[in-house]
Amino acid sequence: GESVGLHLPTLSVQEGDNSIINCAYSNSASDYFIWYKQESGKGPQFIIDIRSNMDKRQGQRVTVLLNKTVKHLSLQIAATQPGDSAVYFCAETLGNNLFFGTGTRLTVIP
Amino acid sequence: KAGVTQTPRYLIKTRGQQVTLSCSPISGHRSVSWYQQTPGQGLQFLFEYFSETQRNKGNFPGRFSGRQFSNSRSEMNVSTLELGDSALYLCASSLNTNVRASYEQYFGPGTRLTVT
Repeated sequence: GESVGLHLPTLSVQEGDNSIINCAYSNSASDYFIWYKQESGKGPQFIIDIRSNMDKRQGQRVTVLLNKTVKHLSLQIAATQPGDSAVYFCAETLGNNLFFGTGTRLTVIP
Repeated sequence: KAGVTQTPRYLIKTRGQQVTLSCSPISGHRSVSWYQQTPGQGLQFLFEYFSETQRNKGNFPGRFSGRQFSNSRSEMNVSTLELGDSALYLCASSLNTNVRASYEQYFGPGTRLTVT
């Protein structure tokens, strides 16, 4: 499959700080990207998506940024809370298939 | 509204055996996708079914197969199990089959398969 990778496998942040999780993708033809959150013992949960014709999209406490020039995707979480501790995956679409990164584990320090 | 359910949650098999996993999507969802999740490879797409038809297939050997029933419930089967098939198998359902539409998939908790 396509290479969808992460700059950091783990990230620790203090409660209340902002978190930034990064993701690199390899195929410039990818036109749709999704961030998922996976808590221990659960399946991934859709967080936010973005299309390639956008460079920013905001949700509740989360923002996704897309830089097509360097094929980079980031997820920003504002005022990180203990409940945000999880593994976060980015995924890109190519054709009609999804390709996932290996994930970043976010740990929130109280 | 009940979420995606998968059975069994845990399974231990030996090499060479075959296994069948089951997934019940959210009521009204007609698209069911299967994924394999391992620490080394992450989440990998296996296949997707919509209205009892396989619409998309990932890059897995023919030992991995699936089907979908008229009530949208889906099963996946792995024959001649190998040690490397040990993984968490996730099922996800959605209203849309087109990933370029809003691809809001809802995942089940997964079936943890261990092959010894």
